[in-house]
Amino acid sequence: DTAVSQTPKYLVTQMGNDKSIKCEQNLGHDTMYWYKQDSKKFLKIMFSYNNKELIINETVPNRFSPKSPDKAHLNLHINSLELGDSAVYFCASSQTNQPQHFGDGTRLSIL
Amino acid sequence: AQSVTQPDIHITVSEGASLELRCNYSYGATPYLFWYVQSPGQGLQLLLKYFSGDTLVQGIKGFEAEFKRSQSSFNLRKPSVHWSDAAEYFCAVARFTGGGNKLTFGTGTQLKVEL
Repeated sequence: DTAVSQTPKYLVTQMGNDKSIKCEQNLGHDTMYWYKQDSKKFLKIMFSYNNKELIINETVPNRFSPKSPDKAHLNLHINSLELGDSAVYFCASSQTNQPQHFGDGTRLSIL
Repeated sequence: AQSVTQPDIHITVSEGASLELRCNYSYGATPYLFWYVQSPGQGLQLLLKYFSGDTLVQGIKGFEAEFKRSQSSFNLRKPSVHWSDAAEYFCAVARFTGGGNKLTFGTGTQLKVEL
């Protein structure tokens, strides 16, 4: 009964491909997030959805598109993958004005 | 804009020794502060948080942190470190917006524990 689960855990693909990462939370939280952790372990927020509405949209290339079919799911689709997209992507969720709970991450490697 | 500085990239301590990890923040209003820990290959786990009230907050795994507004600091402490505490530690400040909260993280401090 994992609280925030991401799939896949590892993703290896070639430049130019399109890929998706899925995230689900069973905590009943209203808000979900995507973060990118680079090779130096720096974490930066990308997007956030509250009850399926986009509330945070940082400076992220248009190739990244989040989708929230319901408040328990937030998926991340990436088009035309580039070498610089290699990173660990974390999904998180929170209740309104409460701390975030993180998934275990998806390690994306671009060949 | 909010920001967080963790001055120490690496810290090595002996098992049983005390620990203090430094964190300084920049934020225009009352800050909401967090410490998270990341073990290798894992996600981030919340150690403790400060929202308001008592400036000394207790967390899980025997950690505590003290909020000092005058120094813009939120340092993490543990009186006796265990080998299992070896991990990456992140300090973060939150800005609440639209029902969620935007976390800005520091660059992290990697803790090594010598047996």
